[in-house]
Amino acid sequence: GESVGLHLPTLSVQEGDNSIINCAYSNSASDYFIWYKQESGKGPQFIIDIRSNMDKRQGQRVTVLLNKTVKHLSLQIAATQPGDSAVYFCAENPYNQGGKLIFGQGTELSVKP
Amino acid sequence: NAGVTQTPKFQVLKTGQSMTLQCAQDMNHNSMYWYRQDPGMGLRLIYYSASEGTTDKGEVPNGYNVSRLNKREFSLRLESAAPSQTSVYFCASSDEVFIETQYFGPGTRLLVL
Repeated sequence: GESVGLHLPTLSVQEGDNSIINCAYSNSASDYFIWYKQESGKGPQFIIDIRSNMDKRQGQRVTVLLNKTVKHLSLQIAATQPGDSAVYFCAENPYNQGGKLIFGQGTELSVKP
Repeated sequence: NAGVTQTPKFQVLKTGQSMTLQCAQDMNHNSMYWYRQDPGMGLRLIYYSASEGTTDKGEVPNGYNVSRLNKREFSLRLESAAPSQTSVYFCASSDEVFIETQYFGPGTRLLVL
């Protein structure tokens, strides 16, 4: 199980640079993946999702890449802005588990002006 | 359209006290979920309700009970609070079409002394 008080992985970027946040997922049977953004004191907010039959999906300023061979997911944020500062979580939905999601630990993104 | 709402926002309890966390959604979603989030960690599923009248255990159900009062409301009860239940509790909901895409409430911060 997880230990209380772990420090989150952190990523610090300069405003205007691109950010890449990585996530390793655990279940090879997972067929749906989501990225959430959580600002301080708020609930997680949906950013973008991808199904296992895709390798890449683009949204507004965000791109998610899925590598099923190594069970790796990444979130790319273009032209990072101060408002992007938050904790980012990936979540996986194992096949045939209904709506149940398994969340990763999270990565804290800090944008320097 | 308020989305997912939670009450209270913050609560302090003494060990052994009981309380109920309330959650309501106005999106006509079938599925609802309760998570806890501990410092530096991702969200862990406590209980979920796939539809009105049904509830199932998640990853960490011990010490909690839930009630799906109607389609809108899903409550989480701590019968005898323990310091280990100090956490931030999030409620979420999803619809039957995109069941994996969950929308979260703002959270309830619970401190058990």
